[in-house]
Amino acid sequence: RKEVEQDPGPFNVPEGATVAFNCTYSNSASQSFFWYRQDCRKEPKLLMSVYSSGNEDGRFTAQLNRASQYISLLIRDSKLSDSATYLCVVLTYSGAGSYQLTFGKGTKLSVIP
Amino acid sequence: GAGVSQSPSNKVTEKGKDVELRCDPISGHTALYWYRQSLGQGLEFLIYFQGNSAPDKSGLPSDRFSAERTGGSVSTLTIQRTQQEDSAVYLCASSPQAPPTSQETQYFGPGTRLLVL
Repeated sequence: RKEVEQDPGPFNVPEGATVAFNCTYSNSASQSFFWYRQDCRKEPKLLMSVYSSGNEDGRFTAQLNRASQYISLLIRDSKLSDSATYLCVVLTYSGAGSYQLTFGKGTKLSVIP
Repeated sequence: GAGVSQSPSNKVTEKGKDVELRCDPISGHTALYWYRQSLGQGLEFLIYFQGNSAPDKSGLPSDRFSAERTGGSVSTLTIQRTQQEDSAVYLCASSPQAPPTSQETQYFGPGTRLLVL
């Protein structure tokens, strides 16, 4: 099982639709989780952190399910500007003060007029 | 304020040559990370520096790759005897704390696009 897995998509949705992405991770000891957004030929940028109790930021909602080892991102009322690749990022401590940040390969979203 | 900067933005080199990539992190950021992203692929972790501690080199793909961080600030990633498979975008990121937290996460530079002919 890969460390961090995402459905590569693409997800093609009409404007105004609700879309959800899942991401699974293999290490049950992973501590922190993030969603990043990467536009074509641009660097990744933090979209939101994922808190244990779930969190919402405007049209975006992130959820964490530790028992099943997955995180999700829900986008409501999709905008054309939401078209991008969404990267799931997992932080895992590897002992002796070291840690590892593992990025998923991303899920591509295209919002269609 | 200024973000993470990287130079050069693009680099074309011939197979077998050495290249040096530079990263200027955000001032005061403790941690600095190097990643590689090949076309259509996810980010591959290469190395990170945490304060004055020895770097974690576990992600470096071969001994042709090395990195330094001088004075806890600027970092250079060196690739010796480049191969065509080294062609990728090399991204640098920094974070105020190590490891990054929910409140203080990584900020990425624009990357260096390396093409090895």
